[in-house]
Formats: sequence, structure tokens, C-alpha cells
Amino acid sequence: AQSVAQPEDQVNVAEGNPLTVKCTYSVSGNPYLFWYVQYPNRGLQFLLKYITGDNLVKGSYGFEAEFNKSQTSFHLKKPSALVSDSALYFCAVRVLNSGAGSYQLTFGKGTKLSVIP
Amino acid sequence: NAGVTQTPKFRILKIGQSMTLQCTQDMNHNYMYWYRQDPGMGLKLIYYSVGAGITDKGEVPNGYNVSRSTTEDFPLRLELAAPSQTSVYFCASTPRTSGEYNEQFFGPGTRLTVL
Repeated sequence: AQSVAQPEDQVNVAEGNPLTVKCTYSVSGNPYLFWYVQYPNRGLQFLLKYITGDNLVKGSYGFEAEFNKSQTSFHLKKPSALVSDSALYFCAVRVLNSGAGSYQLTFGKGTKLSVIP
Repeated sequence: NAGVTQTPKFRILKIGQSMTLQCTQDMNHNYMYWYRQDPGMGLKLIYYSVGAGITDKGEVPNGYNVSRSTTEDFPLRLELAAPSQTSVYFCASTPRTSGEYNEQFFGPGTRLTVL
């Protein structure tokens, strides 16, 4: 089955420290991977995506993600966390709806990031 | 551009009532989606559309219906509301330009409670 997993429900990090939010995937073929962020009472906002090329992808708000094919992972990282980074983060992978012949995004359950002042 | 807009923002329904959640995008995107978000469960795809007049079921379509008569609008209909449909509903859209790997743009959501 094609899926994505976020093994941590919550991540706590002190302001100024580096942060990592983990994501692993299981798909057939080349993976197309995404990270989204959701602030309270808001819709999801796109952060970055991996399609092909460099394994280190840079995105919005200073975030980056590292694609690791051998470990089937796509962890989100930031060198120095800000209190304003506190939010819910979702990893997503493109999957093929073989019956319909179209692609969809399958989302992980989300990881709540809390940055402590 | 306003992006993806959804109305209403909040709604309380009684069991058995029906309602339509509205979604409009002004980006001329071909693809539109409806998701529901439940705590700790991530987003589940309800229905999606690849263009006007074309819709298809997602992972959790039971109890819902959709239509897509224009590129801009993609309303979600709830018939005979049930407590299990209490959730936050998000509409999203994406352009069909360079393939199936464009990011989706999300609306602000509709918080629905069924009592």
C-alpha cells in the first residue's frame, strides 16, 4: 500500500535549537513528497516538495527537507527554531488512484511542533 | 487573487439536516479536492474533480455528494447529517500544468458540528 507515516505526534524544541520533524513513505515508483504547515484555525500552507534532483530541498520560512531513498525518509529540518514555527506539520506523498487513472495526495497524521521560548 | 475561499466558516447542524459547503477558487485550477480533518487522523480525501463535469470518489465519500459545473466552484453536499460527520472540511485546488505533482492550495476550512 502507498502511504506516508509521521512517527511522532509531538516534537518539542527550544527556541534557537535545530528542529527535525520525521516522515517516512512507502510508494511504488519514484516518490513525489510534500511538506505542509497548518497554523491554528487555518488551512494548510505549502512549505516545500521533492520531485527529483538534489536530495536537500529548500522551502519557505527557512525550512528544508532531506530526501533519503535508502531509508525512504523525507525529514523536515530547520537550523534554528522560532517560537512562530509552532504549528502542525503534515508530510504528504503523491499516490496513483489506479482505478481513476489520476494522482492524489496521501497525508500523514501530522506532527505538532512546539517551540519553547 | 483571493485563492481558495470556503463558506461558511462554522456551522452547527442537527442530525438528519442537510447542507452545502461552498468552495470557490479564482486561480483557474483544473483540479479541486475536498478533505476532512479529524484530530490525530490527518486529512482524508472525500471527493475530487479533475475538471468541470468530472468528479470521483476519494477515500471517505459515504454521506457526501459533489458537483462541478464550473471551473471555479466545487460544492460539497451533506445529506442526512450524522454525528460522524462532525469535522473540519477543507477544499483545495491545484493547476494541471506540468503533471500531477503540483502543490495544492487550501482554503481556510469549514468547522462543522452535527448534534
